[in-house]
Amino acid sequence: DIAMTQSPDSLAVSLGEGATINCKSSQSILFNSNNKNYLAWYQQKPGQPPKLLIYWASIRESGVPDRFSGSGSGTDFTLSISSLQAEDVAVYYCQQYYDTPYTFGQGTKLEIK
Amino acid sequence: EVQLVESGGGLVQPGGSLRLSCAASGFTFSTFWMHWVRQAPGKGLVWVSRINSDESSITYADSVKGRFTISRDNAKNTLYLQMNSLRVEDTAVYYCARRRPRVGATNDAFDIWGQGTMVTVSS
Repeated sequence: DIAMTQSPDSLAVSLGEGATINCKSSQSILFNSNNKNYLAWYQQKPGQPPKLLIYWASIRESGVPDRFSGSGSGTDFTLSISSLQAEDVAVYYCQQYYDTPYTFGQGTKLEIK
Repeated sequence: EVQLVESGGGLVQPGGSLRLSCAASGFTFSTFWMHWVRQAPGKGLVWVSRINSDESSITYADSVKGRFTISRDNAKNTLYLQMNSLRVEDTAVYYCARRRPRVGATNDAFDIWGQGTMVTVSS
């Protein structure tokens, strides 16, 4: 199985400041034939299901604010939030869909400082 | 509106069975790969199973293989998860999720999620 490890486990950021969450896979999730990284980011607010933010490591889902961005390739990935808003308080998960079992990171809890 | 609505959760004793349903609306259900993902109380997300559009390709997590069965009824726009030999560690919110639309591909992210249904396995 491909293990996904996020860092940090929790993060407190002031409103308007930037936030960065890292995700590392235990093996490359870059598919060479199409040069795509099989990595997604989800946001989960309390009592709600996860919401897709980013897929193919860097493509923003429709309707997701452009303050969210994804980067990275191979085994190392980053979710960045450029200017934290109150509504961004949530747990963020990375997921690899390169191979089954699809695996998620343990989650990063983002709070307001 | 594109929507997934789960039902069928509840309290069951260890060794018991439950069948979860996921009713889809607002999209052509029969053309999409579908998944089940679970989340134990206060814990992270764990993928459970997937099924393709015509049930010809089905995959399970090792933790549920041989105990859970995923299926679908495209005429009823409904996804199912039959859960047998339930264990305390199966206690979780179970979400159904739709794979992003992409022709001719198997693996992709999950773009639509249901609200989830709680399954509690306890004596």
